[in-house]
Amino acid sequence: DAGVIQSPRHEVTEMGQEVTLRCKPISGHDYLFWYRQTMMRGLELLIYFNNNVPIDDSGMPEDRFSAKMPNASFSTLKIQPSEPRDSAVYFCASSLASGAGNTIYFGEGSWLTVV
Amino acid sequence: KQEVTQIPAALSVPEGENLVLNCSFTDSAIYNLQWFRQDPGKGLTSLLLIQSSQREQTSGRLNASLDKSSGRSTLYIAASQPGDSATYLCAVRGMGDMRFGAGTRLTVKP
Repeated sequence: DAGVIQSPRHEVTEMGQEVTLRCKPISGHDYLFWYRQTMMRGLELLIYFNNNVPIDDSGMPEDRFSAKMPNASFSTLKIQPSEPRDSAVYFCASSLASGAGNTIYFGEGSWLTVV
Repeated sequence: KQEVTQIPAALSVPEGENLVLNCSFTDSAIYNLQWFRQDPGKGLTSLLLIQSSQREQTSGRLNASLDKSSGRSTLYIAASQPGDSATYLCAVRGMGDMRFGAGTRLTVKP
């Protein structure tokens, strides 16, 4: 398998614009996670899905952020409108069911800069 | 909510030294614990996974231990090399989610 695939890898956008980040999990994985990484706050869990259903979105910073998973092979994280403080690396990850032996796999990340 | 803490935040050692990185977590009801490596500007690479029923896992020069009852894990790196320089992250898998520590930034000097 090609692993978790994220796009775009890098994006620079102006404040107020809509940003859409995309993720294709590993085929057959039941869980999908969105994380944000910054120097100040480290890796924060934003939201995770199980079988395409959002389970916990308590980490989503505010209403400007939304995430969807319309099918088992695709998820989006949208920021509208974007602000400079949203600049970060956004990681998508996937795993099989949350059993003891199931490794979580990360994508390469989407590097977002909002100017 | 699970809290994960890593000590030290940064570590600098000469090449060849053995070293230990520490991870602690507040809720012992976990499925597993994973150690990751992250190089600057890169994604996360899984190093070791310890299931909640296990006490340790080994891979090459790396050995990770888990004491679930006390909420602690250690990552032991033997005979460190400059190529080991990276940030090491500990992550704890609960019922569904996975929470990370802030990481330990390791520098191995030639």
